[in-house]
Amino acid sequence: EAAVTQSPRSKVAVTGGKVTLSCHQTNNHDYMYWYRQDTGHGLRLIHYSYVADSTEKGDIPDGYKASRPSQENFSLILELASLSQTAVYFCASSEWGGEETLYFGSGTRLTVL
Amino acid sequence: GDSVTQKQGQVTLSEDDFLFINCTYSTTTYPTLLWYVQYPGQGPQLLLKVTTANNKGISRGFEATYDKGTTSFHLQKASVQESDSAVYFCALESSGSWQLIFGSGTQLTVMP
Repeated sequence: EAAVTQSPRSKVAVTGGKVTLSCHQTNNHDYMYWYRQDTGHGLRLIHYSYVADSTEKGDIPDGYKASRPSQENFSLILELASLSQTAVYFCASSEWGGEETLYFGSGTRLTVL
Repeated sequence: GDSVTQKQGQVTLSEDDFLFINCTYSTTTYPTLLWYVQYPGQGPQLLLKVTTANNKGISRGFEATYDKGTTSFHLQKASVQESDSAVYFCALESSGSWQLIFGSGTQLTVMP
């Protein structure tokens, strides 16, 4: 069974603070993704990676950085958290780019105060 | 660019009611049209897909079809159960791009 685990499950951060969201997959997949979910906007791609030590920008990368230190791990970093970044964040993996089946984690609910 | 529109934000039904959710899409290439389902507290998971080749997908009692003429695709189920309560996302994968484009989601609530 494919497995993508995210930590933490929820987090409260202060405006201007640094936030790191972590993702670990045991699927042996090359591609990993970070999505943001907001009510009325569905899922929007922030960053993705297809190989360790390399990341690419998605549709809404501003205010976010990503890090892929190994095939299994992919982090999303908010250097200066802002109120507008309050959302649910999902990590996902897929065997290759263009793969229709994304395996999602359970999400991290981030609240920035 | 490619786009997908999902206008039904919320749908409330009673058990055994018929479900119909609609999305429209725009692409200049041959699309694969997908439905993902997100149960409470979980991430989205692929429910089914339909391509221009097969026109229909069926999974877990759900059926997906598409209409090339109106560039729309639909998710339907003859008789919903309370356990079907979830958020349903339509998504588009075009042959010209590797990326999935998601609709805004439909929250389905099924009352017992």
